Amino acid sequence: GAVVSQHPSRVICKSGTSVKIECRSLDFQATTMFWYRQFPKQSLMLMATSNEGSKATYEQGVEKDKFLINHASLTLSTLTVTSAHPEDSSFYICSAGGGRRANTEAFFGQGTRLTVV
Amino acid sequence: AQTVTQSQPEMSVQEAETVTLSCTYDTSESNYYLFWYKQPPSRQMILVIRQEAYKQQNATENRFSVNFQKAAKSFSLKISDSQLGDTAMYFCAFMTATNAGKSTFGDGTTLTVKP
Repeated sequence: GAVVSQHPSRVICKSGTSVKIECRSLDFQATTMFWYRQFPKQSLMLMATSNEGSKATYEQGVEKDKFLINHASLTLSTLTVTSAHPEDSSFYICSAGGGRRANTEAFFGQGTRLTVV
Repeated sequence: AQTVTQSQPEMSVQEAETVTLSCTYDTSESNYYLFWYKQPPSRQMILVIRQEAYKQQNATENRFSVNFQKAAKSFSLKISDSQLGDTAMYFCAFMTATNAGKSTFGDGTTLTVKP
C-alpha cells in the first residue's frame, strides 16, 4: 500500500501556544487529505477535508480559526492547532486519498498524540 | 449521508477460537467500499480487509473473512483461530467511490483475545 507519514507522533505544548502537525504522502500524490480527531476509546471523527491548492472544508462544529489546515502541495498537508487549550488534547490522524494509488482506499498516517498542559 | 453502526462495544474470545464482529451501514450510494481496520494500542490504523460493493464474493485475508450482505447492508468480520495479537479495537468503515479517501467509521468494537 501507499505510505503516509505523520509528524510528530507525540507533542506536548503549553496552553496558549500553537502546534503544527504534518501529513505527507511519501510515494504518491494525494489530491485530498483528511484530518480526523479521536478521543480515547472512541471512533475517528472527521474534522476537515483538505484539497491541494484550495481552502479546506470543515465539518460542522469544527472551528476553522482554531484548526488551520494548509495543503500547499500534492504531498503535504498541515494542521495547526492555534492557541491550544487542554481540551484540544487528543489523538489526531490524517489520511490521504485520490490520485491513481489511493482512489479505492484511504491511507493513514501514524497519528499524533497532542497533550496541552 | 452515510452511517456505520457497530453494535458490539466490547467482545472477547478464547485464543484459537472464532469470533464475529458485526457492522451495518446505511447509504444511498451504489458504488462504495467497505473496510475493517484494526487499531492496536499504538493507535496506528491497520487495514484488515476490504470489500468492493460491486463484488458479490466475500473478501478473505488469511484468518479474516467478511460476510457481505449488500441488500441487508451488513458487513461482518469473522476472525478464525484468534491470536493474542488480534487484541485491539476494530473499526468498520465506509467509503464512496466518488469521494476517495473520505471514510465514515463505526464506533468500534474492542476485542480481547484471552489465553
